[in-house]
This record gives sequence, structure tokens and C-alpha cells, in this order.
Amino acid sequence: QVQLVQSGAEVKKPGSSVKVSCRASGDTSSTHAINWVRQTPGGGLEWMGRIIPVLGFPTHAQKFQGRLSITADKSTGTAYLELSNLRSEDTAIYYCSRANVDYYDYAFDIWGQGTRVTVSS
Amino acid sequence: DVVLTQSPLSLPVTPGEPASISCKSSQSLLHSNGNDYLDWYLQKPGQPPQLLIYSGSNRASGVPDRFSGSGSGTDFTLKITRVEAEDVGVYYCMQARQTPITFGQGTRLEIK
Repeated sequence: QVQLVQSGAEVKKPGSSVKVSCRASGDTSSTHAINWVRQTPGGGLEWMGRIIPVLGFPTHAQKFQGRLSITADKSTGTAYLELSNLRSEDTAIYYCSRANVDYYDYAFDIWGQGTRVTVSS
Repeated sequence: DVVLTQSPLSLPVTPGEPASISCKSSQSLLHSNGNDYLDWYLQKPGQPPQLLIYSGSNRASGVPDRFSGSGSGTDFTLKITRVEAEDVGVYYCMQARQTPITFGQGTRLEIK
């Protein structure tokens, strides 16, 4: 049973950076992409980007270009999201999710538990 | 970016009654491989979203058969034949036809 386990909650100052990890237990060698989705306090879901841990080659949403880095450690199957120059609007729950290549449209069939990031002075 | 518009945004339903949610896309989600890149998710309180329907009309593993998806191109519908108390939460449609992947605003289903 594959699970995505994320790192714990973070409280950051404006202008700083945060790095969130997502470890895929039981699935370190697959070619499924790991996607990052955040949910703001208002409830909306926003896709940020994705990476295939065993291959690399991240894709970032244009909105976050220059502030977002998505990386992976292929040896452990862990994906990382790093967001820099944080502002209050980045306060959200950050989820990782697996896009399953066995589904016709790579639907997100497994989700991490979420990491709450609070940006506050 | 592809805009997904859901309706209604709030859906009060009596247990045992049917429910229907619409998701309209600003662009066609039909891929040249013949599949629609439109999924439905349910987010229960305090939990991450969970996959219900993929490619417009295919139930994900473990999803009760009271849930069904239909539609193609730009118009999609999620139906629940008989709502149960455990179906409470926010329903989202999501398109993966092109990046950035985008979500609908969400439809909050509540029990009357």
C-alpha cells in the first residue's frame, strides 16, 4: 500500500523560504509523477507543479516561476517543494499527490496528509 | 489557463435523494487519445481530497457505485443516486488536459 508522507507544519517570516518534503513509502522506483497542490484558507485548490522522482524534469506553474523549486531524491523516492520570498498569501496547506500513470488521464489517486505553512511576522 | 466553473456552489440534500453537480470547462478536455482529462474529487472535512471519478466517467477503486460521472469535451456532470451522510464535503472537478492543471471552485454538499 503506497502512502505519501509529508513533513510537519511550518511557521515562517515574510521574505523567508520553506521546504516541504513528500516521501513515497513502498514506491520508490515507479514513474508516477508527484504533484504539489496547495489549499488556501478560502478553500480553493491551486496546482503548483510536478516531478517524476526517478527521472527529475520538474514542471512549475508559471505563476510561481522564480520562487518555486521542485526537486526529488531518486534514491528515496522523496519529492521536495521549496518556495522562497514567502508572503502572507502563501499561507496554505500544501499537499503532494501521485498522478497515476495507469489511469487514462493521470488522475491523482493518492494524496499526502498535507503540510500547513503559516507566513506571519 | 483552463477555467472550470462548477454549479451549484452549495447543495443541500436529503439523505436518500439524488444529487447532481455540473462542471463546465472553458476549453475542450478531450485528448487526441479519446480520453477526457477531467476528474472528480471529494474532500471530506479535515482530510485531503480523494479521487472519485477519472477520465470523466470511470470510478476509482473502492468508490461506491452510487457515484457516476458523465460528459465529454466541455460539459461534465457528477451524479450521486442516493446521498448518504458520509458523502458530506466539498466536491471538486479538476482538468489535467493542459498545464497549469486547474480545479473548479468546489461544491459544498450538506445534509438537510
